[in-house]
Amino acid sequence: NAGVTQTPKFQVLKTGQSMTLQCAQDMNHNSMYWYRQDPGMGLRLIYYSASEGTTDKGEVPNGYNVSRLNKREFSLRLESAAPSQTSVYFCATQQNPTSGANVLTFGAGSRLTVL
Amino acid sequence: AQSVTQPDIHITVSEGASLELRCNYSYGATPYLFWYVQSPGQGLQLLLKYFSGDTLVQGIKGFEAEFKRSQSSFNLRKPSVHWSDAAEYFCAVGAQATSYDKVIFGPGTSLSVIP
Repeated sequence: NAGVTQTPKFQVLKTGQSMTLQCAQDMNHNSMYWYRQDPGMGLRLIYYSASEGTTDKGEVPNGYNVSRLNKREFSLRLESAAPSQTSVYFCATQQNPTSGANVLTFGAGSRLTVL
Repeated sequence: AQSVTQPDIHITVSEGASLELRCNYSYGATPYLFWYVQSPGQGLQLLLKYFSGDTLVQGIKGFEAEFKRSQSSFNLRKPSVHWSDAAEYFCAVGAQATSYDKVIFGPGTSLSVIP
């Protein structure tokens, strides 16, 4: 049981390059999230997907796009990377909130450096 | 919109000493509250959660937290800290179970443990 799998774990980009971070889950959770973690800032929500076929902006969506490909997969794309996007990115999933189990399960993170 | 503050950026305690990490939240309705822990280089792991009922909740690794509605606080405690507790701790607030609303994290408190 893999849980939440993020790829790649590490990536170095040059300014202006594009890339996609992949997230896949095998827990049959409905909701999926992308956060970025920066020192002293905690985790900030970039985008989330309440269910398959829907996506919504979080606190810091600028410079990112997302795709909820199916129930299992939620990708985050940087179209033109900037040094300010250097961060650790976490994907998380959430059970159906109506079950009362409003808990996030996190992937191991993807460390991105933009030069 | 909900928000979370953690007044202490960094705390150092001696092994065996007691610990209290502070968390204050702002939310317009009954919140769901969480504490997560992040060990170096790892993703986040749920320590405990409060949904309703008893305001003193027990979690894993000997941690507990108390919900105080009048103070909008959800402080994390442990009676005797172990060296393995050194990590980053995040308080988070989420919406009620019937909503797919997002989970918001505080900036985190870094805990160091002196042998």
